[in-house]
Amino acid sequence: QSALTQPPSASGSPGQSVTISCTGTSSDVGGYNYVSWYQQHPGKAPKLMIYEVTKRPSGVPDRFSGSKSGNTASLTVSGLQADDEADYYCVSFAGDNNPVVFGGGTKLTVL
Amino acid sequence: QVQLQESGPGLVKPSETLSLTCTVSGGSMNNYYWSWIRQPPGKGLEWVGYIYYSGSASYNPSLKSRVTISLDTSKKQFSLRLSSVTAADTAVYYCAGPYRVTQYYWGQGTLVTVSS
Repeated sequence: QSALTQPPSASGSPGQSVTISCTGTSSDVGGYNYVSWYQQHPGKAPKLMIYEVTKRPSGVPDRFSGSKSGNTASLTVSGLQADDEADYYCVSFAGDNNPVVFGGGTKLTVL
Repeated sequence: QVQLQESGPGLVKPSETLSLTCTVSGGSMNNYYWSWIRQPPGKGLEWVGYIYYSGSASYNPSLKSRVTISLDTSKKQFSLRLSSVTAADTAVYYCAGPYRVTQYYWGQGTLVTVSS
């Protein structure tokens, strides 16, 4: 069982927006502004899409955005495109005893 | 452009020790965290552990008794050793960096199968 809870699946039509949630506790997501999101296409290494809750690395489209409220972080993908179809994982810093905790992943399907 | 490359045996026998090395090119290892993350076939990502350039390491509590991560900055490499492996340790192992939860850089991943 993953430390962070994500919905197993999400979907949307091209051009629509979809939001993926990542729920933790006050010891991880709620306690630190160190939440990242990764995109993983089949057979490929994960790719960083969002870091420190809301920041986008260079080269990541602004269609991808992150936010946090309490113990839940969210990734929103706007203007869905076919290539957005992938697995998405959240990860949070969780303190010195167990520093890194992942979510179980969400499979995003573009209908 | 920093690049990471994993290397090591793709097949390990049960009860033996899994050993992998990650070679860093195109950048410095200094002041950064270097991680191992694994993914069992068809499953999600699992953090294994990381090591700071100073040599201080932190491990997933569920693996802590079996894991050692070390580094050799002169060779620009860091390594993973996982002892007493079972079939549950079969996974694609990724090396990544350069922060604890912000991994800009990833290796391509290497599949390690535990089987006799």
